[in-house]
Amino acid sequence: DQQVKQNSPSLSVQEGRISILNCDYTNSMFDYFLWYKKYPAEGPTFLISISSIKDKNEDGRFTVFLNKSAKHLSLHIVPSQPGDSAVYFCAASATGTYKYIFGTGTRLKVLA
Amino acid sequence: DAGITQSPRHKVTETGTPVTLRCHQTENHRYMYWYRQDPGHGLRLIHYSYGVKDTDKGEVSDGYSVSRSKTEDFLLTLESATSSQTSVYFCAISKGDNEKLFFGSGTQLSVL
Repeated sequence: DQQVKQNSPSLSVQEGRISILNCDYTNSMFDYFLWYKKYPAEGPTFLISISSIKDKNEDGRFTVFLNKSAKHLSLHIVPSQPGDSAVYFCAASATGTYKYIFGTGTRLKVLA
Repeated sequence: DAGITQSPRHKVTETGTPVTLRCHQTENHRYMYWYRQDPGHGLRLIHYSYGVKDTDKGEVSDGYSVSRSKTEDFLLTLESATSSQTSVYFCAISKGDNEKLFFGSGTQLSVL
């Protein structure tokens, strides 16, 4: 049973436009969410996180939105750059469990 | 970069042989994790540790065991490797609950 889902395996976006990556979760106990970026042959690197007490968090070109009632979060990248081309994973955790469950990833391609 | 070293970086082994992967950290973080990455499955949690000698199972723990005798080292053992365990294995560390994970560079394991 997949608790964290990324239903779009891939996404292509023109350079300078907005990239929107989506993530859904089923476990209502999840209260902390993270996004990671992964390049080939490297480990995932942290991008941005959000706690369930917030509905938005921004860091430069990256913004994460959380809709708790829909159990949905999204990552917005504006403007998209060719260097953003990578696989993006969302992850979720429930306080006190110390476990982080990841989605299957979305491969973003930013076209120059 | 977080001080996480995974060894070996690459390994080829035969079905039925034992294999041990090592994760070493210099950050003195309490929590350590082993994930595997496979196409279509994203990152799946194998085992994690919340302190020396304290470990617990993740989503896909069958066929794997772990040990943590020192804060800085977390070992993942495949007692009798199978072809289904061919994967990229990532170690991660975390300071605490609802803290971001830092990942190592990964170990590419091929079981023939």
